[in-house]
Amino acid sequence: AQSVTQLGSHVSVSEGALVLLRCNYSSSVPPYLFWYVQYPNQGLQLLLKYTTGATLVKGINGFEAEFKKSETSFHLTKPSAHMSDAAEYFCAVSDKHAGGTSYGKLTFGQGTILTVHP
Amino acid sequence: DVKVTQSSRYLVKRTGEKVFLECVQDMDHENMFWYRQDPGLGLRLIYFSYDVKMKEKGDIPEGYSVSREKKERFSLILESASTNQTSMYLCASSFVNTGRGSKNIQYFGAGTRLSVL
Repeated sequence: AQSVTQLGSHVSVSEGALVLLRCNYSSSVPPYLFWYVQYPNQGLQLLLKYTTGATLVKGINGFEAEFKKSETSFHLTKPSAHMSDAAEYFCAVSDKHAGGTSYGKLTFGQGTILTVHP
Repeated sequence: DVKVTQSSRYLVKRTGEKVFLECVQDMDHENMFWYRQDPGLGLRLIYFSYDVKMKEKGDIPEGYSVSREKKERFSLILESASTNQTSMYLCASSFVNTGRGSKNIQYFGAGTRLSVL
């Protein structure tokens, strides 16, 4: 079974500082990897995804993440935090194979709440 | 844009009531999912459906059932609501992963915050 661990349920940074949100996964084969963001009182919005190819992926709002197979990690970064980045962030994995019994199910981490101080 | 619409943003129900949460998507997605979200636990899958009238249990199906009579609509049913079902409920949908496109991307509704008193 797949699992996802997000290190740190709360991360606090100053505006303009580096944002680093950590995600490690366990899977028998390299999966698809996702980061979603949830703003207060809203649903989840896809931030970025890794499927195949380049291991450094860029997403919306200046975020990027790097897939490191040897470390089974998919950490999310942003060089300079903005107040509008305050939200909860979820890392998720799913099986790569088409169809079959996975049905595209996602396994989510516990979430990391990002606070940005002025 | 993909749109997943959940019928209610907030619901307050009494213990023992039968509760229906409705979800509609407009992208002709085959897969639909119901999650509950609780602080510190992330999202946990309750049920999912990969076709009309087809359903599969997720990780926490106890106390819930689902219905999918039309492709675009997926309903979550609490047969007899209990206080431990107070939570945020999120619906999502996605295409079948054919190996091209989609890649299991799920699109989410805004959520229904259910309080059971």
